[in-house]
Amino acid sequence: SYVLTQPPSVSVAPGESASITCGGDYIGSKSVHWYQQRPGQAPVVVVYDDSDRPSGIPERFSGSNSGNTATLIISRVEAGDEADYYCQVWDSSSDHYVFGAGTKVTVL
Amino acid sequence: QVQLQESGPGLMKPSETLSLTCTVSGDSISTYHWSWIRQPPGKGLEWIGYTTYTGSTKSSPSLKSRVTISVDTSKNEFSLKLTSVTAADAALYYCARGETARLGAFHIWGQGTMVSVSS
Repeated sequence: SYVLTQPPSVSVAPGESASITCGGDYIGSKSVHWYQQRPGQAPVVVVYDDSDRPSGIPERFSGSNSGNTATLIISRVEAGDEADYYCQVWDSSSDHYVFGAGTKVTVL
Repeated sequence: QVQLQESGPGLMKPSETLSLTCTVSGDSISTYHWSWIRQPPGKGLEWIGYTTYTGSTKSSPSLKSRVTISVDTSKNEFSLKLTSVTAADAALYYCARGETARLGAFHIWGQGTMVSVSS
């Protein structure tokens, strides 16, 4: 089945940029969605369809997707961005959604 | 404002059948795809399956043999049944709203309901 690979953790200083990768075979041909999950809360979509942002999500969150890697970038990181981030795709070959294992973002 | 609310028993015994319901308010269930997702304590997200308002369903290959997802448009709710539960099924169970005509992102989530499994 389709596998999405994320780094377990990313650390970033306030004001810097955090880059979270999501690797998968030919992921560039799929639509990738990114979720933020703060402790004790339900996930919230921060980027969908590779690079679109829902209303209410700051422009600091951006996404890209090409080849075998999708990337979520959080610019000008704030303390409130500390959370787990998950990537997700729909795998049409096996007819099911797949989530990455998640990346814990720590703000130093 | 669309809201999803999960409900169901908090504690199950091994081999029992788990039944959860997601009640949708602020929107008609007669559009969109509606999914169940779970998260074991301290672990990541796992998609369980979805239904449409017509009752068309898909389930995760790893759970397919034990999962039934159904929809009740008259009550604006959809449900999950998971048979033969074990300790590995203990998790926070979320329901979520997908998109209309395509299998895209989950834009709205419930707050989740915790399910424990113990004899």
